[in-house]
Amino acid sequence: DAGITQSPRHKVTETGTPVTLRCHQTENHRYMYWYRQDPGHGLRLIHYSYGVKDTDKGEVSDGYSVSRSKTEDFLLTLESATSSQTSVYFCAISERTWSGTQYFGPGTRLLVL
Amino acid sequence: GESVGLHLPTLSVQEGDNSIINCAYSNSASDYFIWYKQESGKGPQFIIDIRSNMDKRQGQRVTVLLNKTVKHLSLQIAATQPGDSAVYFCAEENMEYGNKLVFGAGTILRVKS
Repeated sequence: DAGITQSPRHKVTETGTPVTLRCHQTENHRYMYWYRQDPGHGLRLIHYSYGVKDTDKGEVSDGYSVSRSKTEDFLLTLESATSSQTSVYFCAISERTWSGTQYFGPGTRLLVL
Repeated sequence: GESVGLHLPTLSVQEGDNSIINCAYSNSASDYFIWYKQESGKGPQFIIDIRSNMDKRQGQRVTVLLNKTVKHLSLQIAATQPGDSAVYFCAEENMEYGNKLVFGAGTILRVKS
């Protein structure tokens, strides 16, 4: 988890409310990623960023948006939370693109009631 | 408990024995593979990686073997210790997904003292 923090670490919210998760890195890595982890599934990519203001969708991007205004911060927003978005969310960073090792943050556990 | 552990295969080993964790990957054109370790309540932690031009790579107490013929990856842990108890999963750089990392669901390793 070196150099990567996520906030909040735990959150309970209600269906229909917007939620923003924050990932902060001190490694100055170019690439940042948001994943979700659910029982029976591997990590699934939501969105990723390849530079400030440069983002793209992953395989499960519906219902999520991201922003990256600074190298060190990558925000994930659930525009209107649904129960299917109850999950553990991980941020990751890497120096190089996909062939570079990704280092993960400690995760945010989100419960949508 | 950690919800990510539900429905995953489990390997139980005696402390001091060697462990072998297996992973089948999906794309014969995948070029890069990583093993991660995830302890309860934490983010995935990089263990070791290997490129497709190699069939074996060794780290500290760990060895990764790659068999491209049958699309199989294995992680060997020597002299398994209680601190090795975790979920282990592999990831492949998959060209079908734009060279993004695709993660397996994982295997639970339990070390008996």
